[in-house]
Amino acid sequence: KNEVEQSPQNLTAQEGEFITINCSYSVGISALHWLQQHPGGGIVSLFMLSSGKKKHGRLIATINIQEKHSSLHITASHPRDSAVYICAVRSPNTGNQFYFGTGTSLTVIP
Amino acid sequence: NAGVTQTPKFRILKIGQSMTLQCTQDMNHNYMYWYRQDPGMGLKLIYYSVGAGITDKGEVPNGYNVSRSTTEDFPLRLELAAPSQTSVYFCASSYPWVGGSSGANVLTFGAGSRLTVL
Repeated sequence: KNEVEQSPQNLTAQEGEFITINCSYSVGISALHWLQQHPGGGIVSLFMLSSGKKKHGRLIATINIQEKHSSLHITASHPRDSAVYICAVRSPNTGNQFYFGTGTSLTVIP
Repeated sequence: NAGVTQTPKFRILKIGQSMTLQCTQDMNHNYMYWYRQDPGMGLKLIYYSVGAGITDKGEVPNGYNVSRSTTEDFPLRLELAAPSQTSVYFCASSYPWVGGSSGANVLTFGAGSRLTVL
């Protein structure tokens, strides 16, 4: 069993739709990261959370530490949001290593 | 700032050949990591380093070696390349966890190196 599980694996949305990607984890964490990877591209960090909620533009990330769950929301989705979104957690129990979900592939259709 | 720089971006190897993937960061990060990314799989840790002169195995170290002679550089060496090592490789770096929401805790990735072993 993976330490980090994401759902859904694949998601197709119409432009303008509200999108939610979920992440559950099973280890104790220092922080949770949401990463974005465009096709054939590098990986960039969108958010780092250790509690509560963060917002950058149309992106919102929330975390519930007690339930070991995080969500990434995209409001008013746009084709340029099409990418793979990866949830990662940093664990203090294993020398601050990171564990990664398998990613959610998002396609936003115009 | 260049961030994390990986070279080469693409490489095709024959079975049994050796090569080194280079990784350099200019953020004075203590921690550096090498991951491989296979289709449909999460990033898997190959090796990591918590500082110059210190390296340790991750989840999938077989067939690879690393060294960390300086804070900036963390090369990954593939000895006797095998088709199973066909993958996209990412180098990343970070500071040790400093608590709270500090930007110092962010994990920074290189652009990736696509390696094919034929």
